[in-house]
Formats: sequence, structure tokens, C-alpha cells
Amino acid sequence: KQEVTQIPAALSVPEGENLVLNCSFTDSAIYNLQWFRQDPGKGLTSLLLIQSSQREQTSGRLNASLDKSSGRSTLYIAASQPGDSATYLCAVLNTGTASKLTFGTGTRLQVTL
Amino acid sequence: DTEVTQTPKHLVMGMTNKKSLKCEQHMGHRAMYWYKQKAKKPPELMFVYSYEKLSINESVPSRFSPECPNSSLLNLHLHALQPEDSALYLCASSLGLAGGPGELFFGEGSRLTVL
Repeated sequence: KQEVTQIPAALSVPEGENLVLNCSFTDSAIYNLQWFRQDPGKGLTSLLLIQSSQREQTSGRLNASLDKSSGRSTLYIAASQPGDSATYLCAVLNTGTASKLTFGTGTRLQVTL
Repeated sequence: DTEVTQTPKHLVMGMTNKKSLKCEQHMGHRAMYWYKQKAKKPPELMFVYSYEKLSINESVPSRFSPECPNSSLLNLHLHALQPEDSALYLCASSLGLAGGPGELFFGEGSRLTVL
């Protein structure tokens, strides 16, 4: 059974810092991995999708990497801003599970002024 | 347009009420999903529709009844709910399921409170 862990559970950084969020998964037979952000009480916003054959994806200040063999993904946020404050979730799709994503428990990020 | 629209945003209902949650997307996606999310927990899959047919039911109690009237619409009918069913209900869509669903797009959710 796939298990997805996100460390740290919470993180507070001053504005302007570069930061890394971590996502680990136990079963490397994945189809893809997706990073989301969620603001309090809101839905999930898709940030980046990495296919299993890819090593990284970039969108603006965000860069996500994937090391399937070691069961890890990182989300790098450059030059953090207060508007980046949210919970960040990674979700893994295993091969053979059709369409069931396994979510991590999330990292709650606060960027302070 | 990468938007999934959910209505209502908030719903309060008694345990004997019947209500429905609605979800709409116009991205041409053929897979649609219902997720349930409790506070400070990750979303949990409830149902998946593919080409308007129920593909996955994650052993959800029958008091939750999904419906997909066409490829753009997804409903969740609620009846005789319990207070523990109070949660954020999220709808999502993706291009399809064949070869993997690809990127999932979520709506803003419907916050349900059962009294």
C-alpha cells in the first residue's frame, strides 16, 4: 500500500527566502506525482504535474523534482512571498490503481513579512 | 479555462433533509471525481466517473448518491446524513482515465455542515 509522507508538517520563513518542501513515497511504481496548494477552507490548486519519466518541472518560481528510485519529490519555491502562505500537498498516482491518488498529509507554509 | 465550478459554497442541513451538491466543468474532461476532506486531513476519494459511467465507488455509504447527467456535470445527492459527514466536498476533473488521468483540476469545494 502506497504511503506518502511530507516533511516538515509546518514551516515558517521570512519573505524572500528560498525553501524546499519534501514528499516521500514508499512504492516507486508510480504513474505521476502532482503538487497542489490549498488555502484555508478552499479547494486545491494544481501547481505542477511530473510524469514518472520526467525528472523535474518548472513553473515560474516553482520547481518540482522527482527521484522515483528513491521515492522522493521536492518542491522548491524561490524568493518566497506572503502570498505563498498555504498548505502544500503532494499526491501520487500508482500504476494499476487507475485513478486513485494517494495524498500526503501536507506542509503548512507561512511566509512572514 | 481550467475551472471547475461547485455550488453551493456552503450548505447547512438537518439529518432528515435531502440536498444536492453540483459540479460543472467545460474543459472537455471525461473523468470527474468527488472527494471528501475533513479538517487538517488530505482529501479522500469517494467516487470516480469516466465517460458518464461510475468507475469507482470507494465503499461510500448509500446516503451519498452520485450522478453524472452529462460529461460536464456531476452531482452528489445527500440524504439522511450524519453530523460526522460534515466536511469540505471537493469535485475534480481530468482529461480521462485511459493511460492515467493526467492532471487533476479541483473546484473550490462545498462546505457541508450536518446538524
